[in-house]
Amino acid sequence: SQQGEEDPQALSIQEGENATMNCSYKTSINNLQWYRQNSGRGLVHLILIRSNEREKHSGRLRVTLDTSKKSSSLLITASRAADTASYFCAPVSGGYNKLIFGAGTRLAVHP
Amino acid sequence: SAVISQKPSRDICQRGTSLTIQCQVDSQVTMMFWYRQQPGQSLTLIATANQGSEATYESGFVIDKFPISRPNLTFSTLTVSNMSPEDSSIYLCSVGAGLGEGPEKLFFGSGTQLSVL
Repeated sequence: SQQGEEDPQALSIQEGENATMNCSYKTSINNLQWYRQNSGRGLVHLILIRSNEREKHSGRLRVTLDTSKKSSSLLITASRAADTASYFCAPVSGGYNKLIFGAGTRLAVHP
Repeated sequence: SAVISQKPSRDICQRGTSLTIQCQVDSQVTMMFWYRQQPGQSLTLIATANQGSEATYESGFVIDKFPISRPNLTFSTLTVSNMSPEDSSIYLCSVGAGLGEGPEKLFFGSGTQLSVL
């Protein structure tokens, strides 16, 4: 599989604001997954969007996918201090059975 | 979903020794992965350990340094051999779940924080 590149590297916002982070990749994908990591522990799967989907929602999360631009975005609405974490995208290409993670976006939500 | 128990949660080891990390899953899984996360860095895949076959190592990782066992569908171990301070990292076990090509979701253990003196 290929590695996604998250942008920005770091994001600092106030509680209640929205947070948007982006992911770019290089080759065609079957799906793209977003994960969250708190304090250097195990990652938690947030959402998967397939290549034939353009938008997906899960609670306060909204993920979009633009395959023509080879990019995805993760929007967290009405952020909370508990959303403070690192967020990673993982584009999954056909024929691969592993996930490769990029550097991630470090999100800090201040009360 | 899958619940993963990873042991030990942390350890401090002396240079030149070895540490074996255990990963126990509460259900049978085919795909199992070992990652390393060095301080301030992202996760790096060490190897894929599927039951019934030898582990597949990523570039830069070798079996002599990171031997892996996968005796059944619920258990795996990763050994960090002949440790040096550069091996100080968080080591993470994960399992894959999915119906199509490749894992559609990874579940992670809580990690092993390793410090080598």
